[in-house]
Amino acid sequence: AQSVSQHNHHVILSEAASLELGCNYSYGGTVNLFWYVQYPGQHLQLLLKYFSGDPLVKGIKGFEAEFIKSKFSFNLRKPSVQWSDTAEYFCAVNAGGTSYGKLTFGQGTILTVHP
Amino acid sequence: DGGITQSPKYLFRKEGQNVTLSCEQNLNHDAMYWYRQDPGQGLRLIYYSQIVNDFQKGDIAEGYSVSREKKESFPLTVTSAQKNPTAFYLCASSIFPGRGPNEQFFGPGTRLTVL
Repeated sequence: AQSVSQHNHHVILSEAASLELGCNYSYGGTVNLFWYVQYPGQHLQLLLKYFSGDPLVKGIKGFEAEFIKSKFSFNLRKPSVQWSDTAEYFCAVNAGGTSYGKLTFGQGTILTVHP
Repeated sequence: DGGITQSPKYLFRKEGQNVTLSCEQNLNHDAMYWYRQDPGQGLRLIYYSQIVNDFQKGDIAEGYSVSREKKESFPLTVTSAQKNPTAFYLCASSIFPGRGPNEQFFGPGTRLTVL
């Protein structure tokens, strides 16, 4: 069974610091990859996704992620965080080719940005 | 205004009672999903349904039941057999997974507390 691991449970940064959140998955075949974000009191929403093509994908609010197939990783990055980026971030994987679109989520990383 | 609605936002029940959580979508999506979110564990899939009158167990289906009589609705019943029902429950939907990579859209969630 596929699994997803997010290495950091809680990350604390100051505004303008750079961010990188790690995500590794265990599945040897084709995958679709996602980062979702849950702002305080809001719906879980899609930040960015990778299906195929350029392994560097850009999402909303200045976030980007790089798919490194050899490392089974899909790390999320942002060059300069803002206080409004305070949220919980979830990496999710869908094993490509499956017929039912099942997503497996990581444990989540809480990001706290101090002004 | 398309989206997913879940009601109620907060729900309290006594131990031993069954309780049903509502999920409705007007996105014309074929597939619907129920997840449970616990701190530090990410989202775990309870049940999913690709089409009306069909549904499958997810990773943690024990103590839960669902129905899918209408495309728009996918209610979840938390039964008295669920040993640890207090949690945040999220409903999601997507286009039929067989049509392409799966991006799921989430509702606002229901926080269930069993006393």
